[in-house]
Amino acid sequence: GNSVTQMEGPVTLSEEAFLTINCTYTATGYPSLFWYVQYPGEGLQLLLKATKADDKGSNKGFEATYRKETTSFHLEKGSVQVSDSAVYFCALSDSGGYQKVTFGTGTKLQVIP
Amino acid sequence: NAGVMQNPRHLVRRRGQEARLRCSPMKGHSHVYWYRQLPEEGLKFMVYLQKENIIDESGMPKERFSAEFPKEGPSILRIQQVVRGDSAAYFCASSPDRNPTDTQYFGPGTRLTVL
Repeated sequence: GNSVTQMEGPVTLSEEAFLTINCTYTATGYPSLFWYVQYPGEGLQLLLKATKADDKGSNKGFEATYRKETTSFHLEKGSVQVSDSAVYFCALSDSGGYQKVTFGTGTKLQVIP
Repeated sequence: NAGVMQNPRHLVRRRGQEARLRCSPMKGHSHVYWYRQLPEEGLKFMVYLQKENIIDESGMPKERFSAEFPKEGPSILRIQQVVRGDSAAYFCASSPDRNPTDTQYFGPGTRLTVL
């Protein structure tokens, strides 16, 4: 079956530091890959996505590249802000007729001033 | 266009009671997904419904849990005879009619606490 593995948190960074959150996946076929962000007490918001190999998703300074050869989709940001503090989930969905999303366990990011 | 609506946001039940969680998808969305997030864990797929049909319930516990999405009104996730292990956040997501494989949009969740 499908699975997503992401680095455990919490990750604590100083403001303006570089962020990497690793994510690898196992899937049959050609899944779409996602990063979702969850702020405290809220639901999930889509941060970025990529639907095929070598695609780069980007949003709000965050980037991730779909690497089929390494089955990875690492999240990066060049300079984090305190407002980026949240839990980040890597996820994938089947390439079938509807989305059945498989999530990683989430990585909590705390950015300190 | 309002987002996915869920209510209640917080629900407290005693063991043995019933919990009903509601989800109204975004306008133009007739595909609804329910997920459960246990404390300190990721979301786990429970069930996928279209209007009046359950398409995939492979993630639903076999007993006590049921879901529906009637022709009119919100989708309902029903948990009968709740136990402490049902305490979790339950999220609903919807995707658009014109492209059900498009991105899912999540609601704010219902946090169920079983005493």
